[in-house]
Amino acid sequence: GQNIDQPTEMTATEGAIVQINCTYQTSGFNGLFWYQQHAGEAPTFLSYNVLDGLEEKGRFSSFLSRSKGYSYLLLKELQMKDSASYLCAVPPPYDYKLSFGAGTTVTVRA
Amino acid sequence: ETGVTQTPRHLVMGMTNKKSLKCEQHLGHNAMYWYKQSAKKPLELMFVYNFKEQTENNSVPSRFSPECPNSSHLFLHLHTLQPEDSALYLCASSQDLGLTGGDGYGYTFGSGTRLTVV
Repeated sequence: GQNIDQPTEMTATEGAIVQINCTYQTSGFNGLFWYQQHAGEAPTFLSYNVLDGLEEKGRFSSFLSRSKGYSYLLLKELQMKDSASYLCAVPPPYDYKLSFGAGTTVTVRA
Repeated sequence: ETGVTQTPRHLVMGMTNKKSLKCEQHLGHNAMYWYKQSAKKPLELMFVYNFKEQTENNSVPSRFSPECPNSSHLFLHLHTLQPEDSALYLCASSQDLGLTGGDGYGYTFGSGTRLTVV
């Protein structure tokens, strides 16, 4: 497997910032994905990082460090609708199938 | 509407029943996948189809039987399941077996079928 590790749960207040970390181990890197999954709904694509650095997309940003096998998803100006599970996923080297972490459940409180 | 539709959304079945899950995508994708999602566990890849041909069976028990009659439809036939098979079953599709290109990155998922085996 890809040994993808992310925290199980996080709680934050509306308007705050939350950072979800993901570490992975792979012998060859082919990009890292973040998905959002609301309860009872389909996982939806948030971001794809293949180069080091921060990519910003509105309130959500994703960071990657290939040398450290590390990524984070940053959620800013949290809204109640951001309460969901956030999945980190990495394809194995020379392969196309996504391996997923167990997901981080983020709960946003008023 | 995600572009990938799964039916039924919920299913309760006995261990001796036979049922089928259906997945349909209208995105023009060529590859389709079945994943199992259990609580607090990573998504587990079950089967992969590319251009209707099965390219991967991830050591799935024979009580799960996939069928892909065309690139737009994928079924998962279930028989003599066990209570531990209760989970959310997700279907996904992608443009090709590669992860980028076409209309986006990665997979497009359906909303899943919540299966309970009693």
